Amino acid sequence: EPEVTQTPSHQVTQMGQEVILRCVPISNHLYFYWYRQILGQKVEFLVSFYNNEISEKSEIFDDQFSVERPDGSNFTLKIRSTKLEDSAMYFCASSGHRERVGNQPQHFGDGTRLSIL
Amino acid sequence: KNQVEQSPQSLIILEGKNCTLQCNYTVSPFSNLRWYKQDTGRGPVSLTIMTFSENTKSNGRYTATLDADTKQSSLHITASQLSDSASYICVVSGMDSSYKLIFGSGTRLLVRP
Repeated sequence: EPEVTQTPSHQVTQMGQEVILRCVPISNHLYFYWYRQILGQKVEFLVSFYNNEISEKSEIFDDQFSVERPDGSNFTLKIRSTKLEDSAMYFCASSGHRERVGNQPQHFGDGTRLSIL
Repeated sequence: KNQVEQSPQSLIILEGKNCTLQCNYTVSPFSNLRWYKQDTGRGPVSLTIMTFSENTKSNGRYTATLDADTKQSSLHITASQLSDSASYICVVSGMDSSYKLIFGSGTRLLVRP
């Protein structure tokens, strides 16, 4: 069964450094998402992406964050200058390879654990 | 404010027993409600999706119910297995163009032999 893959599984970065998290969504899916989960807390929506542009972003997704689909298969999340509070598990998800995308399951990758030192 | 609340926070049951997890939500306008299973260190995996017109949906030993009037849902697990040990997360999608998901805190289920 097709799956969403994320790399790396664990990223350790110094505070202030840039980090890029990578995701390969399920082929032919149309909608792409990033979520994050701080240890012990709920999964939180960051951003949704459709038709090569951001369709919605949360208040967490400030100017330090950006997303890109550079080559039609990868979907990346960049944090420009990391802060200690960016430490979390970051999940990529994709959905919508046919009509009624709103009622389609979002398929999640296994996440990238980002640790900021 | 759009919120999803779950109870209990954690639950321990013996293998073979049944259990029911609860979810209340205040998301409006409402599109659908989902239950996800999340194993430790893994991403959430979809179990069921229900729109407002659906009252119940099953996926193997998992049966979800939805009361859109009272904004409550439950997930019933029948004949539990050790592999059912995981977090079960209630997730609601609002009626917006991004289809973003709003997550509950989850119920951590431990099935003991």
